[in-house]
Amino acid sequence: SQTIHQWPATLVQPVGSPLSLECTVEGTSNPNLYWYRQAAGRGLQLLFYSVGIGQISSEVPQNLSASRPQDRQFILSSKKLLLSDSGFYLCAWSRGGNTEAFFGQGTRLTVV
Amino acid sequence: RKEVEQDPGPFNVPEGATVAFNCTYSNSASQSFFWYRQDCRKEPKLLMSVYSSGNEDGRFTAQLNRASQYISLLIRDSKLSDSATYLCVVNSWGGKLIFGQGTELSVKP
Repeated sequence: SQTIHQWPATLVQPVGSPLSLECTVEGTSNPNLYWYRQAAGRGLQLLFYSVGIGQISSEVPQNLSASRPQDRQFILSSKKLLLSDSGFYLCAWSRGGNTEAFFGQGTRLTVV
Repeated sequence: RKEVEQDPGPFNVPEGATVAFNCTYSNSASQSFFWYRQDCRKEPKLLMSVYSSGNEDGRFTAQLNRASQYISLLIRDSKLSDSATYLCVVNSWGGKLIFGQGTELSVKP
């Protein structure tokens, strides 16, 4: 069966510090991968999605970047965090095409 | 206009009530549609897919109207455990999954 791992679960970082969140998927190959952000009391905003290694689509101009160095690994990064980067970050995978997505447990990031 | 829009919440209903959520999408080329459920401070989880013919899973019924670009979710005989945020999701193109802002449901005893 397929599983998705996302870590850490919570993170407190000072303004101006770098960020690296990692997500890995097991039990499938060539998945679509997604990073979403959810601000408190709000919906999920699609940040990046990837249909293959090295293929990243950015949805929203921001202080973040994403990379997919391996087929089942998706990394969200920032060189310098802003207060507005605080939120609940969710990684997800799908089989592509018209299929549904499955989520990791999320990382709750607080920038102080 | 947002790509996916949902009814504003919250919906506060008594146990046993029937409640309906609506969702509209802007991209007529969208290929697939889903409803997710999200509990407080947790990740969203798939509730059901939505098909043109409509589909039912126990107390939950989902409908899709492609002509009107409209999706609905009906919950019958609401339970306390149905309290959550319900998210409409549209696969707009090429695997890009767009979420609505969610509708909060609170079922009261």
